[in-house]
Amino acid sequence: QSVLTQPPSVSAAPGQKVTISCSGSSSNVGDNYVSWYQQLPGTAPKLLIYDNNNRPSGIPDRFSGSKSGTSATLGITGLQTGDEADYYCGTWDSSLSAGGVFGGGTKLTVL
Amino acid sequence: EVQLVQSGAEVKKPGESLKISCKGSGYIFTNYWIGWVRQMPGKGLEWMGIIYPGDSDTRYSPSFQGQVTISADKFISTAYLQWSSLKASDSAMYYCARPHDHHGSGYFDSWGQGTLVTVSS
Repeated sequence: QSVLTQPPSVSAAPGQKVTISCSGSSSNVGDNYVSWYQQLPGTAPKLLIYDNNNRPSGIPDRFSGSKSGTSATLGITGLQTGDEADYYCGTWDSSLSAGGVFGGGTKLTVL
Repeated sequence: EVQLVQSGAEVKKPGESLKISCKGSGYIFTNYWIGWVRQMPGKGLEWMGIIYPGDSDTRYSPSFQGQVTISADKFISTAYLQWSSLKASDSAMYYCARPHDHHGSGYFDSWGQGTLVTVSS
């Protein structure tokens, strides 16, 4: 059971838009920046969004992030078949057992 | 360019010990934390712990405290993850990753390629 809650799967057609939610609590999402990672099949995760809504160099602006309260959202527009991957949200948890936490991951299928 | 290069895949028997490594390059190794992340087969990412190679300050997730040991050798820019007695449930892919900030609590901006550990009798 992951600390952060994500939907197990989402799907959409090429060219469409999809959003992936990440729900946490006041000690993690509510109190810290959220990041998003893309894991293509058989590869290591890659940073996609950092500090809630910033894209590293090389990440297209089709990818966006937002946060409100204890929830965060990853948005992907203009879906491409190459976007099929697992997506994870992550943040720090400021509770007594402080440490990093991840969501359970969301499998994106581009139909 | 920041690079984290991990040691190769391992096949071990239950009860055996193991130490896997992660070598950093392209940055000042002692100035950044290094973290370890577990991914069990078909499952999600789990934050295991982090170490600051500059002074070996180490923090563990409660789920992994006492189960593994994280260490680092700053002189060869290498971090380690070790087990004293492996279990079948330790079979997983293990990634090292670098938190971007000097507190260790930030996002992971660089990842190693992963080390697959298989524990089977």
